[in-house]
Amino acid sequence: AQTVTQSQPEMSVQEAETVTLSCTYDTSESDYYLFWYKQPPSRQMILVIRQEAYKQQNATENRFSVNFQKAAKSFSLKISDSQLGDAAMYFCAYRSAISGTASKLTFGTGTRLQVTL
Amino acid sequence: ETGVTQTPRHLVMGMTNKKSLKCEQHLGHNAMYWYKQSAKKPLELMFVYNFKEQTENNSVPSRFSPECPNSSHLFLHLHTLQPEDSALYLCASSQVLVGTDTQYFGPGTRLTVL
Repeated sequence: AQTVTQSQPEMSVQEAETVTLSCTYDTSESDYYLFWYKQPPSRQMILVIRQEAYKQQNATENRFSVNFQKAAKSFSLKISDSQLGDAAMYFCAYRSAISGTASKLTFGTGTRLQVTL
Repeated sequence: ETGVTQTPRHLVMGMTNKKSLKCEQHLGHNAMYWYKQSAKKPLELMFVYNFKEQTENNSVPSRFSPECPNSSHLFLHLHTLQPEDSALYLCASSQVLVGTDTQYFGPGTRLTVL
């Protein structure tokens, strides 16, 4: 079974600064997908960024980028130029790349990010 | 974000009540999911429906009964719940067979069982 570990329960960053959230995972599969979701106080789970394991290039979405290290099974999220609206719980998630069928997401326990002035 | 809607947003029920949670997706997806989010625990998958067929039941107690009448609607029928069932219930949908099959979530229903 796959597991996802987020070792930082809470992080804090000053506005306009950069912060990196850590995520490691365990799997015996060679092909899979990784995601970062954001859950603000509204509780809406919002997709931040996704990475296909077969792609060596790290995904980027505006101020959000990942550092995907497949051999180390590490998938960190970097938030640049942090904004107050980035304050939320951030979840790392794993999904098998089994085609043709709906497949569950396995989530980590989350990292609560605070953004200070 | 209105791609996936859930009603009600908040629900308080007694242990002997029967209630239903509703989820509707407006994204044209063919798979829908129920997840449970309890305090200090990772999100847990409960049920998966792919093309209206249940493809996964993650050892969920029978007091939770899902229903998927079509690919746009998903229900979770609740009866004889326990206080430990109090949690945020999240619905998600995805398009299987396309790319990363990314799941998009609704805003959740906050359930309190008294």
